[in-house]
Amino acid sequence: GESVGLHLPTLSVQEGDNSIINCAYSNSASDYFIWYKQESGKGPQFIIDIRSNMDKRQGQRVTVLLNKTVKHLSLQIAATQPGDSAVYFCAERIEGGGNKLTFGTGTQLKVEL
Amino acid sequence: GAVVSQHPSWVICKSGTSVKIECRSLDFQATTMFWYRQFPKQSLMLMATSNEGSKATYEQGVEKDKFLINHASLTLSTLTVTSAHPEDSSFYICSARDGMGPQHFGDGTRLSIL
Repeated sequence: GESVGLHLPTLSVQEGDNSIINCAYSNSASDYFIWYKQESGKGPQFIIDIRSNMDKRQGQRVTVLLNKTVKHLSLQIAATQPGDSAVYFCAERIEGGGNKLTFGTGTQLKVEL
Repeated sequence: GAVVSQHPSWVICKSGTSVKIECRSLDFQATTMFWYRQFPKQSLMLMATSNEGSKATYEQGVEKDKFLINHASLTLSTLTVTSAHPEDSSFYICSARDGMGPQHFGDGTRLSIL
């Protein structure tokens, strides 16, 4: 399944399918991007990050893609599991902005059995 | 590694009281910590940047006299909500950076003001 930017807050996928969560950012001066996972009642958990001089980075079952031309970031989760159900936030850091992060709206990922 | 602990996790208090929330980096030192506020089903909004040994930097619209921040050591920052009122009820989350890496977050404090 695939979400579309910040206007589709919920993404439902079948267990075992791949998930794609999208994020649009607006500041071309952003030099660092992070994906966080937040489960209900908990703080955000770091998933993966990418610097602006890269366009792809892979982790365990996750891949982040960065397209600076269109200011777009995506998180791909392979073989989605029930434990992946959570809200996913992208965050950007503006170069020279004192390491502050600006968070996107978030996408609720629901994994159906 | 990079564990951030927040305490308390949940607090209920009467309107007009002050509430202190602690944020600790357990296995690393953090010269900078961040405080966020999050409303239900919304994103995290940065309130302030807490700097060890100096004054916090507040975001636009955040009352510094309302939300007092103290960063007395490299592993502890506190947020005090003074004279709390029902509209201050929210989920408050802190974070800290481990060196040049990403911000790591605590598990938040749910504040309910009656």
